[in-house]
Amino acid sequence: KQEVTQIPAALSVPEGENLVLNCSFTDSAIYNLQWFRQDPGKGLTSLLLIQSSQREQTSGRLNASLDKSSGRSTLYIAASQPGDSATYLCAVPDRGSTLGRLYFGRGTQLTVWP
Amino acid sequence: GAVVSQHPSRVICKSGTSVKIECRSLDFQATTMFWYRQFPKQSLMLMATSNEGSKATYEQGVEKDKFLINHASLTLSTLTVTSAHPEDSSFYICSASSRTSGGVTDTQYFGPGTRLTVL
Repeated sequence: KQEVTQIPAALSVPEGENLVLNCSFTDSAIYNLQWFRQDPGKGLTSLLLIQSSQREQTSGRLNASLDKSSGRSTLYIAASQPGDSATYLCAVPDRGSTLGRLYFGRGTQLTVWP
Repeated sequence: GAVVSQHPSRVICKSGTSVKIECRSLDFQATTMFWYRQFPKQSLMLMATSNEGSKATYEQGVEKDKFLINHASLTLSTLTVTSAHPEDSSFYICSASSRTSGGVTDTQYFGPGTRLTVL
């Protein structure tokens, strides 16, 4: 069973800063890793999906890296904006699984103030 | 991307009553649907996995007689919380995925969630 840990639990920064959110997982035999965004009281929005064969993925100001062997992933947010304020969740599937069930971290609650 | 809806988005009920939550995939056929529960400041925890036309598989510690799951079609799964109690108050989120021809599960698409409050 996967254990997913996210650091920091919360982050409050002024607009414009570059940010790093960290995720670690215990079992490196994964097919992929996903980063999600969750706004208060809302569902999940998928931000980036990194396949196990990839080292990083980019979407706009977001860049996610994956180091499978060390069980770590990093989400980098460039030039943060108040609209980035949300909880960011990282999730991995079961070991060697293609069945789709995911294990989530507790998330990093991000607040970007103007 | 694909759209998954949940209904209702918010429900308040009295202790002892049953509540049904619907999860629909609007523009694709979901071979598998997942039900997650999220308590405040906690991570999403998988409750059960349901495949169309078969019985749901429940995670350890989740009472199958209390959380009834029905996946009667490729676009609809329902979760019924029977005899709800205040400790069942939580945010319930479903997700849906389809299996590609190669057998690998496609991306999971998450619903917007249902906030259940049991008085």
